[in-house]
Amino acid sequence: QSALTQPASMSGSPGQSITISCTGTSTDVGKYNLVSWYQQHPGKAPKLIIYEVTKWPSGVSNRFSGSKSGNTASLTISGLQAEDEADYYCCSYAGTRHYWLFGGGTKLTVL
Amino acid sequence: EVQVLESGGGLVQPGESLRLSCAASGFTFTSYAMSWVRQAPGKGLEWVSSVSGSGGSTYYADSVKGRFAISRDNSKTTVYLQMNSLRVEDTAIYYCARDQVAMDVWGQGTRVTVSS
Repeated sequence: QSALTQPASMSGSPGQSITISCTGTSTDVGKYNLVSWYQQHPGKAPKLIIYEVTKWPSGVSNRFSGSKSGNTASLTISGLQAEDEADYYCCSYAGTRHYWLFGGGTKLTVL
Repeated sequence: EVQVLESGGGLVQPGESLRLSCAASGFTFTSYAMSWVRQAPGKGLEWVSSVSGSGGSTYYADSVKGRFAISRDNSKTTVYLQMNSLRVEDTAIYYCARDQVAMDVWGQGTRVTVSS
């Protein structure tokens, strides 16, 4: 099973909105509503920011939002802030054979 | 406070073994699956293994199947990852995470280096 596909890098200016895509297949992203997104700052552990495609964990800003269409999930960050500069990873359940699949990660730069 | 804390990493030679531990606290341990995720230097996240809340079901990535074994001791609220026949490509930071519909609580990781 291959990793989910994300753009390697994206950038945006403060206040703008950006959308990071995450493309899988009909056996993972397309089959299960168990897509999650993680934010990771350099040298830090990943932090869950979206789960079950669209839900926010307690304490996470609603500037982050998730969606899914077919085999592609997306993370939108609105009102970009300097602290949003980080790596972002999508993850999908893929059944008991492959369990969790991660995307390759997207490095977000806030200009 | 809900937290997980990894330990047991270190420097080993190819072919050697290592056991990682993950001590959990602040939540009902048996209600959650637990997972290990690793990150090689400069690379992305890779799911390694998961164990159900009871310990009765275990899952492995193809890259570690047959070499790694996950287990848990619910009386000690601790998860283990026994890593055998280690390879250079297993070099990574290994994170332990609480797992339900997503991995919502992560430790700070423990570094494993496999080198001759």
